[in-house]
Amino acid sequence: RKEVEQDPGPFNVPEGATVAFNCTYSNSASQSFFWYRQDCRKEPKLLMSVYSSGNEDGRFTAQLNRASQYISLLIRDSKLSDSATYLCVVNDNFNKFYFGSGTKLNVKP
Amino acid sequence: GAGVSQSPSNKVTEKGKDVELRCDPISGHTALYWYRQSLGQGLEFLIYFQGNSAPDKSGLPSDRFSAERTGGSVSTLTIQRTQQEDSAVYLCASSPVARYGYTFGSGTRLTVV
Repeated sequence: RKEVEQDPGPFNVPEGATVAFNCTYSNSASQSFFWYRQDCRKEPKLLMSVYSSGNEDGRFTAQLNRASQYISLLIRDSKLSDSATYLCVVNDNFNKFYFGSGTKLNVKP
Repeated sequence: GAGVSQSPSNKVTEKGKDVELRCDPISGHTALYWYRQSLGQGLEFLIYFQGNSAPDKSGLPSDRFSAERTGGSVSTLTIQRTQQEDSAVYLCASSPVARYGYTFGSGTRLTVV
C-alpha cells in the first residue's frame, strides 16, 4: 500500500467552480501535512500547510481528518491560473516526506 | 542564498559517462533531499541528508548512484555509467525543520543520449 494516495484526475472544471481534492495517508503517526502545487515542467512549490484545526488562505481551504487519515484541499472560484498538479505531502516524525502522485486540475474558460 | 540552487540546469550526456549534479540549499537548512521526476510521472525519492549524514538512502536506484554532502551545505549527486533510463529531472529540496515543509530547487534536467 502506498504511503500517500491521491486521485490522479484530471479534474476538468469551468472557471468559477469549486473543486475539492482528497488525499489519504497510511501512517497514523504522521505529523505534518502539506499541499504543493506543480506547474508543467516546473518544480513543486508549497501551497499551504495543513493544520489540525483546518486553515484557509484566500480561495484555498485545507482540512485534516486524523481519525480517517485524510487531508483535503478545497479551491473556490477557480481561476484559469489554478490549472496545475496538486501534490499531497505527508511527513513522519523523522524528516521523511511522502508524496502523493498528484491530482491534475484543468480549469477551462 | 535566497533559494535552493541547482546546477547545471540542463545536462546532456552520452550513455556510459559519469555526471555530477550539484545542490546548494538555503542557508541554515539542515535537511536536504534528492528526488527525481521522469516526464509525466510523480516524484521518486532518492536520498535524504540530515547535516552531512544520510540516514535514508533507500531510494537510490542502483549502486551507480551516490550522493554526498559536505559542511552541512552543498550536496552532489553522482551518477556513474549513465543509462538512458536515468534521463529525468533531478530535484533537490531543503528544509530547516520538517514541520515547515521544504523548498525545491528548479532542478537539473538530465538527458542521456
